[in-house]
Amino acid sequence: EIVLTQSPATLSLSPGERATLSCRASQSVSSFLAWYQQKPGQAPRLLIYDASKRATGIAARFSGSGSGTDFTLTISNLEPEDFAVYYCQQRSSWPTFGGGTKVEIK
Amino acid sequence: QVQLQQSGPGLVKPSQTLSLTCVISGDSISNYTVAWNWIRQSPSRGLEWLGRTYYRSKWNSDYAVSVKGRLTINPDTSKNQFSLQLNSVSPEDTALYYCVREDIRTGLDCWGQGTLVTVSS
Repeated sequence: EIVLTQSPATLSLSPGERATLSCRASQSVSSFLAWYQQKPGQAPRLLIYDASKRATGIAARFSGSGSGTDFTLTISNLEPEDFAVYYCQQRSSWPTFGGGTKVEIK
Repeated sequence: QVQLQQSGPGLVKPSQTLSLTCVISGDSISNYTVAWNWIRQSPSRGLEWLGRTYYRSKWNSDYAVSVKGRLTINPDTSKNQFSLQLNSVSPEDTALYYCVREDIRTGLDCWGQGTLVTVSS
């Protein structure tokens, strides 16, 4: 099983700031890495797939990068609705998820 | 627009079978570029993929090692839906269960509303 480790666990930022979230895989997943956003009481929503491609309808302030074992999700200019929990997920083998990063208002 | 509507009981007794159904609208369960997944979420285990079913000339299913032998995912083409049956449940199976559409080109792009299942006597 491929283990995904996300850091930090919590990120405290203000609206307008840049958020940088990290996801590290226990072995290479090539570019088969996705990012999801989850708000309280809602299901996760696909933001980024194949490490850097934005899903349909996702704002340009969300961007992803990386390949192999190290990946980054960047939110360039935090909007109030961006405060949520973010998960990475790999589909190189049986799907696994990271433990999540909570982006909270400072 | 694809939508997934889940149904099933919220309380199951230990050792019994957990059964959930997911009705698909806006897509065909036999779509060659899609797989139909069950994923659960709990505070102790986080997001956990359980398994999926998909059609590629014939029906196929994949299951997570953690539930293999206890889990069956079945498609129902006549009703355009799929189901989950998890046998011999224990309190560790208490979780929020989601049915999820997976586009093979992008990922888990459509989620059901979730069903909170508690395993308790």
